[in-house]
Amino acid sequence: NAGVTQTPKFRVLKTGQSMTLLCAQDMNHEYMYWYRQDPGMGLRLIHYSVGEGTTAKGEVPDGYNVSRLKKQNFLLGLESAAPSQTSVYFCASSYAEYQETQYFGPGTRLLVL
Amino acid sequence: QQQVKQSPQSLIVQKGGISIINCAYENTAFDYFPWYQQFPGKGPALLIAIRPDVSEKKEGRFTISFNKSAKQFSLHIMDSQPGDSATYFCAASRKVTFGTGTKLQVIP
Repeated sequence: NAGVTQTPKFRVLKTGQSMTLLCAQDMNHEYMYWYRQDPGMGLRLIHYSVGEGTTAKGEVPDGYNVSRLKKQNFLLGLESAAPSQTSVYFCASSYAEYQETQYFGPGTRLLVL
Repeated sequence: QQQVKQSPQSLIVQKGGISIINCAYENTAFDYFPWYQQFPGKGPALLIAIRPDVSEKKEGRFTISFNKSAKQFSLHIMDSQPGDSATYFCAASRKVTFGTGTKLQVIP
């Protein structure tokens, strides 16, 4: 039981490049989330999904897209990376609604030059 | 607009002391208040959580105090240990809104 895994762990991009972050969970959770963590800003919700095939915008969705084609996977895409997207990205999942415990992955550190 | 305000930003406590972190929220619809603990290089992990129908919840050395009328809640860490050194986030649902975090350092 691996819980929530994220790939890659670290990535350096040049401005304008694109990439996809992969999140996978093996707990059969319905809800999945993508957050970004920046110093002094805490965790901010980018996008979330309430089930396979669904996605919704969070607090800071601009510049990101997501897809949930399979229940266990939640992908976060950056179509044209900007230095402002330098951050640590965390994926999380929960069994049901927001009131349930969220289980976080280990994070992906992204540097955009 | 920050709906959950957390303080202090950083905290240094001596071993054996009490660590206190405070959070205030604005939305009265919030009905679940978890605290997450994050060690360097790791993702946050749930530490303890409370619902607004109780004023206090204790789990070992960790206690949440909740004041519904003041819209405030706090985390107390009794007998703080160096192993408690981490960043602590309060949060509130709906649409889990996190505080900005408190970096706790417990010195021997």
